[in-house]
Formats: sequence, C-alpha cells, structure tokens
Amino acid sequence: EIVMTQSPATLSVSPGERATLSCRASQSISSNLAWYQQKPGQAPRLLIYDASTRATGIPVRFSGSGSGTEFTLTISSLQSEDFAVYYCHQYKNLPLYTFGQGTKLEIK
Amino acid sequence: QVQLVQSGAEVKQPGSSVKVSCKVSGGTFSSYAISWVRQAPGQGLEWLGGIIQIYNMANYEEKFQDRVTITADESTSTAYMELRSLRSEDTAVYYCARGALQFKELSYFDSWGQGTLVTVSS
Repeated sequence: EIVMTQSPATLSVSPGERATLSCRASQSISSNLAWYQQKPGQAPRLLIYDASTRATGIPVRFSGSGSGTEFTLTISSLQSEDFAVYYCHQYKNLPLYTFGQGTKLEIK
Repeated sequence: QVQLVQSGAEVKQPGSSVKVSCKVSGGTFSSYAISWVRQAPGQGLEWLGGIIQIYNMANYEEKFQDRVTITADESTSTAYMELRSLRSEDTAVYYCARGALQFKELSYFDSWGQGTLVTVSS
C-alpha cells in the first residue's frame, strides 16, 4: 500500500499571502498525483492532476509541482474562497487508490 | 457536462446492508471508471473500490473486499455500491466519482456525486 502523508495538518495564512502544502508518497508514484479542494458540506473538487496540470476552470493562482515521492500545491495569493481542506490522491497503483489525510487551510 | 446524482440518505441497523446508486448523465457511461469513496464524520477520504463497465471488472480495497459489491447498469447509466454487515464505523458520506480518462482503470477523479449519508445506528 502506498501511504500518502500531507503536511502540515493545519495551515494558517492571511488573505493575499502564499500558501504551500506538501504531500509525500511512501514510494515513487511518478507524476500520478492529483489535488482536490473540499469545502464543508460539499464533494471534493479536482484542482490539479498529473502533479502539475490545472483542471478545467481552476484559477492560475493554483499550481502543483513535484514527482516521485515529493509534491507541492501552491496557492500564490489566497482569496477568501480558498480556505478549505485540501487532499492529495495517488493513482499510480490499483487495486488501491490512497489519499492523504488532508491539510486544512484556515484564515490567519 | 458530466453530472453524477446519487440516491438519498439512509439509516440502517447494524448487521444490515445498504445499496447506494449513482446516475451518470453526459459523456459515455460504459468507458469511464466509477469509484466509490467514503468520508466518516470529520475524517478524510477513503477509497472502497471501482468499476469500469466496458470491461465488466471491479476492483476493491482489500479491507472491504468481503463486504462490498460495486456494479454498473449501462442501460440506465447507473452505478451501485452495496455494503453488507454494516457496523457503526461505516457511518459516513459515500461519494461516487468518475475517472477522467476513457478506457482507463487508473485515473484521477474529475466529477463527483453530491454524496449520500449512510447512518448505521440501532
């Protein structure tokens, strides 16, 4: 099983500032990594796939980087609507997809 | 635009079963994988399994393999997830999610259902 570890668990950032979220895989997953945003009471929303490709309609302030075992989601200038929980997801191996435990991005 | 619409909330007794549906509109149903992901209250996301109807093959997370069955009905563009022998720790919101890549089992999820709350309580 590939274990995905996100850090930090909670990140406090002021609006307009940059946020950097990390995700580490227990073994190499190449670039088979996605990032999702989830707001309370809503389903997750795809932000980034293949580690660095923005999904349709996602603002350019969201960017992803990394490959192998280390990945980063960066939000360049936080807007009020960006405060949410973010999950990474590896899709390298079946029969088990795994998610990170999430990073809660909160207003400082 | 692809849309996934799930069946409504359920309350179940311990030891019983629940079957949740996910109707897909837009796109070609049979050639995209549908996965089921659950989220316990205040917790993260957990994948249960998935199916790609054109291959008539389902994959399951090992811990659920003896309790979950995922099926798909091409005639109604609907996927189903049945979970048996329910216990209190199965209380969660269950989501269906569509794989983004046609004919691929392995994929990120580009569309999600609205979620179905399953409560297991005596």
